Amino acid sequence: DTAVSQTPKYLVTQMGNDKSIKCEQNLGHDTMYWYKQDSKKFLKIMFSYNNKELIINETVPNRFSPKSPDKAHLNLHINSLELGDSAVYFCASSQGGVQFFGPGTRLTVL
Amino acid sequence: RKEVEQDPGPFNVPEGATVAFNCTYSNSASQSFFWYRQDCRKEPKLLMSVYSSGNEDGRFTAQLNRASQYISLLIRDSKLSDSATYLCVVKRISPTDKLIFGTGTRLQVFP
Repeated sequence: DTAVSQTPKYLVTQMGNDKSIKCEQNLGHDTMYWYKQDSKKFLKIMFSYNNKELIINETVPNRFSPKSPDKAHLNLHINSLELGDSAVYFCASSQGGVQFFGPGTRLTVL
Repeated sequence: RKEVEQDPGPFNVPEGATVAFNCTYSNSASQSFFWYRQDCRKEPKLLMSVYSSGNEDGRFTAQLNRASQYISLLIRDSKLSDSATYLCVVKRISPTDKLIFGTGTRLQVFP
């Protein structure tokens, strides 16, 4: 009965590959997010969707493309992976201010 | 300058100690304030919201000073299980509704 779930938990891949991370929430929230936490532990928002509509797109390279097939799902596709993409990616959802985070996907680009 | 600034620590304290963390924010349009806790290799989780009147949850007390743009968290009678990184978070609604995270203050409680 996990509230916000992400798959995969770990992702190790070569530079130049394309990969996707999936996120699902069963809280009935309207808003979902993708965050990136780098090696310095700084957590920064990348995207936000409200009811399947993109509302925040921070200055993220266009190699990153989020997709929300419905309000319970928000996936992240990354093209042409680079070394600097190595980080932990957290999905989150919210309703009314408080955000609930998924367990994170640890991406390592070799 | 980061929008939310925290002392990264680490703060190393013995069990039973009282420890205080501070945080400053630069955007006066910030609307809501929170402390989140993040354990090693885990996701952030809400610890408590912060109000100008101050609020307490067991051993944890949070305070907001809007005039000084300053947020604090006090932990009394520290437990080993309090060891974690504490993230100061502000929410602003302009130009878009989003949370801004500080880089966190690491606390290590030792026996």
